[in-house]
Amino acid sequence: IVMTQTPLTSPVTLGQPASISCRSSESLVHSDGNTYLSWIQQRPGQPPRLLIYKISNRFSGVPDRFSGSGAETDFTLKISRVEAEDVGVYYCMQATHSLGQGTRLEIE
Amino acid sequence: QVQLVQSGGEVKKPGASVKVSCKTSGFRFNIYGFTWVRQAPGQGLEWIGWSSAYNGEIKYAQKFQDRVTMTIDTSTSTAYMELRSLRSDDTAMYYCARAASVAGTTDYWGQGTLVTVSA
Repeated sequence: IVMTQTPLTSPVTLGQPASISCRSSESLVHSDGNTYLSWIQQRPGQPPRLLIYKISNRFSGVPDRFSGSGAETDFTLKISRVEAEDVGVYYCMQATHSLGQGTRLEIE
Repeated sequence: QVQLVQSGGEVKKPGASVKVSCKTSGFRFNIYGFTWVRQAPGQGLEWIGWSSAYNGEIKYAQKFQDRVTMTIDTSTSTAYMELRSLRSDDTAMYYCARAASVAGTTDYWGQGTLVTVSA
């Protein structure tokens, strides 16, 4: 499965919203009925961190300004109001093994 | 709390092997599996493979199939990833991460192990 993210770079103004898209080459609906699409954040110099799992569920400790949506092959991560600590690279990830190329979030 | 603590950085010569460990605590080790991902300098994340402490399932990315071995030690709650025949382009940060199954969600990540391959 190929995961394609757009854009690859996203310049945003502090306090403004940001949106990242992820498209998979085939449906991610698993035979158990779940869609194991996650969003991973990697801040500069830090290991990856889970933000969103199963499309739209925020992981423990993740601020509610982060939200996920989508279905089948098209997914979106939204940040309602970008803060300075949100700078980094965001990856969509299918299950444990298919990763997007990453989207770099920068502050304008 | 859930912790995945990886072994320290390594410097290896081309052609050598490296074995990275991922020691875990804070959860029932034998009902989870571990995915391994690497990140070359300035690049994105690249999947290497998966090994399960639950059912022994192992999957490797085709790119690494003939050079990687992943193992599990349930007695010490540790996952291992060995990469052989190292080349300079294997220089990267290597991460382990936990998931309940190969089809599931990767939730907790280790801090990373830097492997440098240089003559």
